[in-house]
Amino acid sequence: EDKVVQSPLSLVVHEGDTVTLNCSYEVTNFRSLLWYKQEKKAPTFLFMLTSSGIEKKSGRLSSILDKKELFSILNITATQTGDSAVYLCAVYFNKFYFGSGTKLNVKP
Amino acid sequence: EAGVAQSPRYKIIEKRQSVAFWCNPISGHATLYWYQQILGQGPKLLIQFQNNGVVDDSQLPKDRFSAERLKGVDSTLKIQPAKLEDSAVYLCASSLGGRGGAYNEQFFGPGTRLTVL
Repeated sequence: EDKVVQSPLSLVVHEGDTVTLNCSYEVTNFRSLLWYKQEKKAPTFLFMLTSSGIEKKSGRLSSILDKKELFSILNITATQTGDSAVYLCAVYFNKFYFGSGTKLNVKP
Repeated sequence: EAGVAQSPRYKIIEKRQSVAFWCNPISGHATLYWYQQILGQGPKLLIQFQNNGVVDDSQLPKDRFSAERLKGVDSTLKIQPAKLEDSAVYLCASSLGGRGGAYNEQFFGPGTRLTVL
């Protein structure tokens, strides 16, 4: 069964819009949740979250974890065409489990 | 610092043929991962090494897939014989690792795109 579920599967927005990507997970012995950005190549690391309720920010991107409700969100404000990519969520408990990703398309 | 190196970048073979992929992790990284990413899906862990020992290979189809990391540095992943459903991108990643070191960030290589005809 899927341990990490991402939604939506795909999203089309226009430059300047704000988007929220969701990641929910089933877990035992949860350790950390990671967000990656994948363009036409290998995933690149964005954030690692281990503590609930603490927001991590990097420029226009931010992420927060809710350990009680077992989900995380990734926010992107003032989107740009360069944000177009697949965003992957991964959870570590004994090993890494990846979701299927959310494909974001930002139109000019 | 040099990143994770993989070769070849692309490979096209016919079903029932054999293929091998090579990965050289970032220097000093103890943990090495091989993932299979089928189009439209997230990466699926095939095998995880800690130095030259296998930590997890529960999702590795052992009847046809094998991997080794003999000297605890670079690694090879082999498929023999290949099936159509093996068409995917094979990603190698490494992290500093260490016992219980799964908090460490994974750095991914560029991947090998395999097409099985």
